[in-house]
Amino acid sequence: DQQVKQNSPSLSVQEGRISILNCDYTNSMFDYFLWYKKYPAEGPTFLISISSIKDKNEDGRFTVFLNKSAKHLSLHIVPSQPGDSAVYFCAATDTGRRALTFGSGTRLQVQP
Amino acid sequence: DAGITQSPRHKVTETGTPVTLRCHQTENHRYMYWYRQDPGHGLRLIHYSYGVKDTDKGEVSDGYSVSRSKTEDFLLTLESATSSQTSVYFCAISPDSNQPQHFGDGTRLSIL
Repeated sequence: DQQVKQNSPSLSVQEGRISILNCDYTNSMFDYFLWYKKYPAEGPTFLISISSIKDKNEDGRFTVFLNKSAKHLSLHIVPSQPGDSAVYFCAATDTGRRALTFGSGTRLQVQP
Repeated sequence: DAGITQSPRHKVTETGTPVTLRCHQTENHRYMYWYRQDPGHGLRLIHYSYGVKDTDKGEVSDGYSVSRSKTEDFLLTLESATSSQTSVYFCAISPDSNQPQHFGDGTRLSIL
């Protein structure tokens, strides 16, 4: 049973518009969440994280929102650029922080 | 990129043969992890290490063993490879359990 779910396998947006990637989790023990970006033939690259004591974290064009009551987080990319085209994984962990549980990924395509 | 080298990058072998994958880091990080990535599953943790000679199992550890005899190297061994172990294997490192993990570029393993 997947504890972290990314229900949209793919997303296509126009350059300059907002990209919103969603992630749901079921394990109430998760208290730290991360987003990774992956290009083909490369390893995942860390993008941004958020602790459960916050509901928002920003880093440049990337913002992560956390809704603990809904067990939902989202990644907003504004404005989207063609170089953002990649697979995005959300991941979660708990206070022990010895393992990440990943979602299955969402492939984002930003059209020029 | 984060001082992680995985070797080999590609390997094709036959069912029943032993296989060892190597992860080498130059960051002197305490934690090292092995994940596998399969379609529809995201990344799943196989084993991790929290220090020299200190290892623990992850979600999908059956059929795999690991060893860490020095800080910089973490080896993943498939004692008798099976076709179900065909996958892309990623190594990750982190300085401690509260920091994001950083990934190598992966090893694509095919077992025929």
